[in-house]
Amino acid sequence: QVQLQESGPGLVKPSQTLSLTCTVSGGSISSGGCSWSWIRQHPEKGLEWIGYIYYSGSTYYNPSLKSRVTISVDTSKNQFSLKLSSVTAADTAVYYCARGSAMLKDAFDIWGQGTMVTVPS
Amino acid sequence: EIVLTQSPGTLSLSPGERATLSCRASQSVSSSYLAWYQQKPGQAPRLLIYGASSRATGIPDRFSGSGSGTDFTLTISRLEPEDFAVYYCQQYESSPLYSFGQGTKLEIK
Repeated sequence: QVQLQESGPGLVKPSQTLSLTCTVSGGSISSGGCSWSWIRQHPEKGLEWIGYIYYSGSTYYNPSLKSRVTISVDTSKNQFSLKLSSVTAADTAVYYCARGSAMLKDAFDIWGQGTMVTVPS
Repeated sequence: EIVLTQSPGTLSLSPGERATLSCRASQSVSSSYLAWYQQKPGQAPRLLIYGASSRATGIPDRFSGSGSGTDFTLTISRLEPEDFAVYYCQQYESSPLYSFGQGTKLEIK
C-alpha cells in the first residue's frame, strides 16, 4: 500500500529556509485524483494545512503562509517537497505530508509519520 | 475564512459509553467535504469519516458521522479503550481550502 515518509533537517536557524521532502512508496505520485499536501502541527496544538500540489505541478497554498511557501514535485523520484522561507520560532512544529483522495472527497487518507522541525528563538 | 469549532474541548467517559462530538462551522459546509480524524499521542492523524458520514477503510462501525450545513457530529457508539484520543473535524472547500477544528480530547473517566 502507499506510504509516505518525510525527511529533512530537524533544526533550522531563524530567517533561513525550511526544506522538507516527502517520498511516496508503494504507488505513483502521478496517480490521478490525488493531491499531495503538507500539514503542520504546533506543539500541543491543532492542525494547520500548508498547501498542496498535483503531479502536474499545479499548487494551492494557505493564504496565511502563501508568501513564504513553495511546494514542488519530482515525479521521477516519486517525491514532493516543501520550502518555507524566513522561518521564526513560530514555525516550530511537526510537519506531515499527506495524500488527498478525490475518491474520498479530498480527505487525507494517507499520512507520513511526521517530522519535528525546531526553529530556536 | 471558514472556522470550525469543536465541542466539548475535553470529554471524559468510560469504556462502553457513547461519545458524541460536535463540529460547528462558521458558514455552511458541503457535506461532501467534511471529514473526521483520530490522533493518538506521537502518531499522525488517521482518517475515520469522509463526506460527513462515510467510514474510511478499516474503520469499525461503532464510528459514525452525521450532520449538514453548519452542524456535524461524530458518534462512537460504545467506547473501546483504544478510542481514547484527540478527534479533529476538517473541511475542504472554502478558503483556506482545508481547515481543521481545534480538536476534542476524549479521555478515560
